[in-house]
Amino acid sequence: SQTIHQWPATLVQPVGSPLSLECTVEGTSNPNLYWYRQAAGRGLQLLFYSVGIGQISSEVPQNLSASRPQDRQFILSSKKLLLSDSGFYLCAWSVRAGIFAEAFFGQGTRLTVV
Amino acid sequence: AQTVTQSQPEMSVQEAETVTLSCTYDTSESDYYLFWYKQPPSRQMILVIRQEAYKQQNATENRFSVNFQKAAKSFSLKISDSQLGDAAMYFCAYSSETSGSRLTFGEGTQLTVNP
Repeated sequence: SQTIHQWPATLVQPVGSPLSLECTVEGTSNPNLYWYRQAAGRGLQLLFYSVGIGQISSEVPQNLSASRPQDRQFILSSKKLLLSDSGFYLCAWSVRAGIFAEAFFGQGTRLTVV
Repeated sequence: AQTVTQSQPEMSVQEAETVTLSCTYDTSESDYYLFWYKQPPSRQMILVIRQEAYKQQNATENRFSVNFQKAAKSFSLKISDSQLGDAAMYFCAYSSETSGSRLTFGEGTQLTVNP
């Protein structure tokens, strides 16, 4: 069966520090991968999605970047965190486009920038 | 661009009763998919139910059912025989083949179940 791992679960970082959140998927090949951010009490906003290794699309201009160094690994990064980067970050995967399926989510990372 | 609107920030229901959560959406596409996700306090996103736009029959999953009105662009979720474990934030979401399964979410409805 497919599983998705996301870590760390909680992170407190000072303003100006770098960020690296990692997400890996097991049990499937060639997944679509997504990074979403959720502000407190709000819906999810899509930040990045990827349909293959090295292929990243950004939905919202921001202080963050994403990379996909391997088929089932998706990394969210920042060189210098801002206070506004605080939030709940969720990684998700779905079957490659063309065969529709729902998105499956990781357990999320709560990021607090202080 | 597609938008999803949930006009009820909060709802409450008595245990064992029925509650309906509202969702409307805006799209120019004819083929798309709609979802209800549940986010309990653990914040894990859990798929509750989904509906393909080309299907006229409303989807059902045990105590959960939807009322899909394509012309009105409405997609409500009915929870029957509410249980304490149903308490969560519920999100309506939209996706389509052209969007590559990227989900557009509403702002959510916080459901409280009273014993």
